[in-house]
Amino acid sequence: DAKTTQPNSMESNEEEPVHLPCNHSTISGTDYIHWYRQLPSQGPEYVIHGLTSNVNNRMASLAIAEDRKSSTLILHRATLRDAAVYYCILRGYGGATNKLIFGTGTLLAVQP
Amino acid sequence: DAGVIQSPRHEVTEMGQEVTLRCKPISGHNSLFWYRQTMMRGLELLIYFNNNVPIDDSGMPEDRFSAKMPNASFSTLKIQPSEPRDSAVYFCASSLIGTSNTGELFFGEGSRLTVL
Repeated sequence: DAKTTQPNSMESNEEEPVHLPCNHSTISGTDYIHWYRQLPSQGPEYVIHGLTSNVNNRMASLAIAEDRKSSTLILHRATLRDAAVYYCILRGYGGATNKLIFGTGTLLAVQP
Repeated sequence: DAGVIQSPRHEVTEMGQEVTLRCKPISGHNSLFWYRQTMMRGLELLIYFNNNVPIDDSGMPEDRFSAKMPNASFSTLKIQPSEPRDSAVYFCASSLIGTSNTGELFFGEGSRLTVL
């Protein structure tokens, strides 16, 4: 499975934008970039995913580098409820590659 | 929709006892995943089913662990006999994987297992 590298932790202030980086230099052409987050004492939840183009949804934006070797999850205005572990995951498509393998993620702390 | 439902939410048992964790996936989903989370090892994928068939069980720790999916609406993860090192939070997730989507995973709230 292709690996991702994320900072162990980051801090942000409430109502400021947050940029969470992820490196995935060994990404293959068919790998999708998925982001999940895990709030304290909860199961992980889907945030966003993309293949080549930047993506936006109600939770966040995903900016994907042109060579696809890195990506950035953008929270436009962090709130205290965004404090969580954020996981960047590469996911294949089809058969056994549908599985999601979690790394250690980035622990985001949001200060009031 | 009620989401992925797991039971029990908490289980405390003694070493050597059999433990059965249950999962009801979201109706209409065709894939089911069992994960285990500990502080030391993070989130580990144990087994993955597609259309009720195990596709990848390479994460199952040893023969003491077994998982079944007798139908599309129910799965179990059994540990027999249980050991203290099995203490963890076990998550079940389901997904709809098809030709036109990459299948977002929906996770349950987890079953916290403590083996004394």
